[in-house]
Amino acid sequence: SAVISQKPSRDICQRGTSLTIQCQVDSQVTMMFWYRQQPGQSLTLIATANQGSEATYESGFVIDKFPISRPNLTFSTLTVSNMSPEDSSIYLCSVERGAGYTFGSGTRLTVV
Amino acid sequence: AQSVAQPEDQVNVAEGNPLTVKCTYSVSGNPYLFWYVQYPNRGLQFLLKYITGDNLVKGSYGFEAEFNKSQTSFHLKKPSALVSDSALYFCAVRGGGSGGYNKLIFGAGTRLALHP
Repeated sequence: SAVISQKPSRDICQRGTSLTIQCQVDSQVTMMFWYRQQPGQSLTLIATANQGSEATYESGFVIDKFPISRPNLTFSTLTVSNMSPEDSSIYLCSVERGAGYTFGSGTRLTVV
Repeated sequence: AQSVAQPEDQVNVAEGNPLTVKCTYSVSGNPYLFWYVQYPNRGLQFLLKYITGDNLVKGSYGFEAEFNKSQTSFHLKKPSALVSDSALYFCAVRGGGSGGYNKLIFGAGTRLALHP
């Protein structure tokens, strides 16, 4: 299975600022997925990132709030823009390899 | 639309007893089904998956799950629970819709509480 390096592992940010989360995969993958896990809740898919094309966002998520970059087949970033306390969550990236899914260790974001 | 239901918020089991965590799904076509576990302040860990073949799937830490197509279920089981099994368990299905057919959709999660 793939190995994912996700950073930062945690951050405390001021409201109104932005945070960019990075995921590096040890091998090339076609799709990368970004999830949000709000406190005490399940994982919700934010968007799917393909290399060389615009990310596809799920209902309730928009590019202006969560811009995604996918410059190559091993790397992606998710930015949480203009943050508010409601954005406090764990953000995870994921990749699919051989019908299995691997997840990054997550970024625990607290907005104050 | 694809969906996963975990009807129990929490399951309470005595150590040494068998455990079952329930999951039902709705998806177009043949499902790919997964179970993950999340321990406090730790990442998501893969337990097992069903893609095709034998309906009984064996996974990590002694867990297994049975795929039942007629009931659209994929319940997680373990013959003898350990206190260390206390965690949050997520069922997930590979679905379709926007973004491609291989995005993973998660259930709400079931907390497994073990007592001695």
